[in-house]
Amino acid sequence: GQQVMQIPQYQHVQEGEDFTTYCNSSTTLSNIQWYKQRPGGHPVFLIQLVKSGEVKKQKRLTFQFGEAKKNSSLHITATQTTDVGTYFCAGLTGANNLFFGTGTRLTVIP
Amino acid sequence: SAVISQKPSRDICQRGTSLTIQCQVDSQVTMMFWYRQQPGQSLTLIATANQGSEATYESGFVIDKFPISRPNLTFSTLTVSNMSPEDSSIYLCSVEGQRGEKLFFGSGTQLSVL
Repeated sequence: GQQVMQIPQYQHVQEGEDFTTYCNSSTTLSNIQWYKQRPGGHPVFLIQLVKSGEVKKQKRLTFQFGEAKKNSSLHITATQTTDVGTYFCAGLTGANNLFFGTGTRLTVIP
Repeated sequence: SAVISQKPSRDICQRGTSLTIQCQVDSQVTMMFWYRQQPGQSLTLIATANQGSEATYESGFVIDKFPISRPNLTFSTLTVSNMSPEDSSIYLCSVEGQRGEKLFFGSGTQLSVL
């Protein structure tokens, strides 16, 4: 069945260091979405990527969608304590089903 | 963006009892979704609640265990029936954005079953 895996599962960084999480799907996706869930909170939509090879930036966050539309990455430059949380990718299949990735929990050490 | 009110925010329940979670949206939406998030895990779709028809359940979830109501376009309930400790999770309702391109989530219900 459809699977969306993320690595790493956990990441601890010193404040100011960069952070990257990778998302891999077992099948080709129509689009990929990224969500952030703060500790004790609910997932909040960050961005959606649709085109093969697409790159989008939001301030210190850079999102990429792979050429084959099966993988994606989120890169945070110079992390801050406000970046703490779990980052989920979610892939939309051609059958219009949304599968959430396994998530990467980011801890930022001040 | 949609504003979603979900209640209760948390509850502690006894084994064998049932809990009904309510989800109210500030605008009319065609589909509402119910997710489960087990501790430290990802989100798993339980079912899609459609107004005027039965909910569509994902593999591994059945109506007898998770009955859903959708009486109108702004409201839905999910009941967790005959609870066991394995049902301890966060339950989240969500709706699509206006163009269907993203999900908005309620604040979640943290359920603990003793």
